[in-house]
Amino acid sequence: RKEVEQDPGPFNVPEGATVAFNCTYSNSASQSFFWYRQDCRKEPKLLMSVYSSGNEDGRFTAQLNRASQYISLLIRDSKLSDSATYLCVVTPYTGGFKTIFGAGTRLFVKA
Amino acid sequence: DVKVTQSSRYLVKRTGEKVFLECVQDMDHENMFWYRQDPGLGLRLIYFSYDVKMKEKGDIPEGYSVSREKKERFSLILESASTNQTSMYLCASTDRSTEAFFGQGTRLTVV
Repeated sequence: RKEVEQDPGPFNVPEGATVAFNCTYSNSASQSFFWYRQDCRKEPKLLMSVYSSGNEDGRFTAQLNRASQYISLLIRDSKLSDSATYLCVVTPYTGGFKTIFGAGTRLFVKA
Repeated sequence: DVKVTQSSRYLVKRTGEKVFLECVQDMDHENMFWYRQDPGLGLRLIYFSYDVKMKEKGDIPEGYSVSREKKERFSLILESASTNQTSMYLCASTDRSTEAFFGQGTRLTVV
């Protein structure tokens, strides 16, 4: 079983739609959680951290459920510029902090 | 600004050559990582390091080795390059369980 599993993509949505990405992780010792965004032919960049209490940044909302080992990202009012690959990231402690990426979910937002 | 620098953007090597990919970070980060990224497979962890002279295998270490003689530098070595190692290689660094910062990537082609 992969340490981090994400919804397979791609997601094709119209502008203005709400889209949700889900991610599960297997290592209960995971300490920190993130969502990254990766544009075509670019390196991944941090979108937002994910906290147990949930957190919001504009149109983006991230949730963490430690009991179910589940992370989500909600994008409201999708824009064309949101088209990218979204990567779920966890950092289990294994003697040091390992950073594990999910395979990513590709999002296409269309006019 | 954190900077992670990879020595080459593009490399073309012959089958059987020994290949060195270098990565340097300037923020005194403890942890450094090497990933490869292939279409449909996301970022897969090859090796990581918590500290100088320490290394841990990731998910796909076969055919690779690493070296970390100084805290700021993490090298990936392909002992005998093969065509199935043609890929995008990404280096990242983190401070404990915080955000990962990436280099710009090295696109390696083995012919």
